[in-house]
Amino acid sequence: NAGVTQTPKFRILKIGQSMTLQCTQDMNHNYMYWYRQDPGMGLKLIYYSVGAGITDKGEVPNGYNVSRSTTEDFPLRLELAAPSQTSVYFCASRPGGSTDTQYFGPGTRLTVL
Amino acid sequence: GQQVMQIPQYQHVQEGEDFTTYCNSSTTLSNIQWYKQRPGGHPVFLIQLVKSGEVKKQKRLTFQFGEAKKNSSLHITATQTTDVGTYFCAGQATSGTYKYIFGTGTRLKVLA
Repeated sequence: NAGVTQTPKFRILKIGQSMTLQCTQDMNHNYMYWYRQDPGMGLKLIYYSVGAGITDKGEVPNGYNVSRSTTEDFPLRLELAAPSQTSVYFCASRPGGSTDTQYFGPGTRLTVL
Repeated sequence: GQQVMQIPQYQHVQEGEDFTTYCNSSTTLSNIQWYKQRPGGHPVFLIQLVKSGEVKKQKRLTFQFGEAKKNSSLHITATQTTDVGTYFCAGQATSGTYKYIFGTGTRLKVLA
């Protein structure tokens, strides 16, 4: 199992550009999450999904969109990149229920100039 | 909204000294998880606590969940250089949501 994979690893965007951060898990997990981590800070939840076709907002959803058409994939879309979105983005998944762990991907480091 | 704070923000210790980080939630939690993140890496799950007053041990690490299920602590005995990293708690509210709110983290540096 590859676990949770994220692409790209690094990306530089210009203000106003758009991009999609990819996240795939091969563990058949129901729940998937997107977090952002600003330098020296904790993780903030952007969006999460409890299954294919179901998504919900987290703490900081503005400027982002998600979709969950399959169990495996949970892409994060930035429509109009802003410098405030410079961050490291982590995708995570977990099987389900209330007593299990989140498995994190390696992260995507995004810089918006 | 729910907030989770951790103290201290930073801690430098000499190798062999003990270390403790504390996690406090503004609301009662259903459960709490602890993660470790090495510099440049991603968070890695350490443990989950569910019951009020629960204490769990993993070798030199001791985790506690408060009686009111609003606070938690992680204690490391006799730190080693391999303990370097940032320790995060993550709480799930009792409202039945599926999301976790991460604490602000404690960055541990161990001096050899």
